[in-house]
Amino acid sequence: SQQGEEDPQALSIQEGENATMNCSYKTSINNLQWYRQNSGRGLVHLILIRSNEREKHSGRLRVTLDTSKKSSSLLITASRAADTASYFCATGQTGANNLFFGTGTRLTVIP
Amino acid sequence: DTGVSQNPRHKITKRGQNVTFRCDPISEHNRLYWYRQTLGQGPEFLTYFQNEAQLEKSRLLSDRFSAERPKGSFSTLEIQRTEQGDSAMYLCASSLDKGPNSPLHFGNGTRLTVT
Repeated sequence: SQQGEEDPQALSIQEGENATMNCSYKTSINNLQWYRQNSGRGLVHLILIRSNEREKHSGRLRVTLDTSKKSSSLLITASRAADTASYFCATGQTGANNLFFGTGTRLTVIP
Repeated sequence: DTGVSQNPRHKITKRGQNVTFRCDPISEHNRLYWYRQTLGQGPEFLTYFQNEAQLEKSRLLSDRFSAERPKGSFSTLEIQRTEQGDSAMYLCASSLDKGPNSPLHFGNGTRLTVT
């Protein structure tokens, strides 16, 4: 079963705008990761933030983590049509060897 | 880095038949995972290997499912007596052994349709 919930489930924006996706989880974590999935393809790792970190940047991506609220957000700045995909958060939980994925946010960037 | 390779990409089978999927991980990765993903959902963990040892299995992995990773290289996932509820995308992923902070590298999956 999914351990995380992304919000919103779907997001549609114009090219050049920023996109923000949120993830909430339920248990204690070692790290939280964000993945991207194009339709019919596998997932691609985007960024990992450890439980003792609060913010991380990678190119146009900015991730925040609030362990007190058990939540994370992914910000994609200056979106492009090629950013159209589903985005998933995944938690690395204490004592577990696998990642637990959320339900995903479907992002559509309109050219 | 040739990436994680999965075969076949698509499989259509009739209910009750057995199917087998193959995953070739990135060569230096010693961890290998199988996940299942249904439409509109995130991947759900099925099982995990470290080298050739199957160290963890999800409750989702009924006795009709079996996975192997002989010699710690490629892996196979077999589903016996398939049911329509088995229709899903089966994803394989691999990672280096860096504990719980290891990013996963996914293949493009095998889409199974049970008719």
